[in-house]
Amino acid sequence: AQKITQTQPGMFVQEKEAVTLDCTYDTSDQSYGLFWYKQPSSGEMIFLIYQGSYDEQNATEGRYSLNFQKARKSANLVISASQLGDSAMYFCAHKVKGGSEKLVFGKGTKLTVNP
Amino acid sequence: NAGVMQNPRHLVRRRGQEARLRCSPMKGHSHVYWYRQLPEEGLKFMVYLQKENIIDESGMPKERFSAEFPKEGPSILRIQQVVRGDSAAYFCASSTLWAGSGNTIYFGEGSWLTVV
Repeated sequence: AQKITQTQPGMFVQEKEAVTLDCTYDTSDQSYGLFWYKQPSSGEMIFLIYQGSYDEQNATEGRYSLNFQKARKSANLVISASQLGDSAMYFCAHKVKGGSEKLVFGKGTKLTVNP
Repeated sequence: NAGVMQNPRHLVRRRGQEARLRCSPMKGHSHVYWYRQLPEEGLKFMVYLQKENIIDESGMPKERFSAEFPKEGPSILRIQQVVRGDSAAYFCASSTLWAGSGNTIYFGEGSWLTVV
């Protein structure tokens, strides 16, 4: 069964610094996708970044980048130049191609950006 | 440019009542998913539907929960005889068929159910 592990229940970072949120996954499938979502206190799920298992380059979207290490089955999210508005819950999720189209989520990391 | 629309955003029900949550997918999307988020938890998959078909309901509780996505109109998640443990956020997502690359999944803003 697919499993996503986020080992950091909470993280703190100073404004303008970079932070890495960890995510490891467990799958025997060769073709899959990895997603990161942000959930602010208002509750909505905001898509941040996607990485495909066959993508040769690490994904980047503005201040977000994904440190994808396929052999280690890790897909850590790096947020550069943290802003106060980055304070939120962050969820890593995994999806298998050809499966039932569902996402499997980790338990999340609560990020707090300090001024 | 409407995204995934969920309503109501907040719903309060007494124990034993029925809760109905609605989800209109993004225009052009024919796949709908429902997820439940308990307090302090990540989202858990409940059900995946296409128009008039339930494709995967492996995450749905066996009793009291049902979902539909009719030919016309929104998808409905129905919870009968609600109990306090049903209090959660329920998220709907929609997509086109995932082609194996890129993000094609879009979430609604969620519906918060409180059972008193």
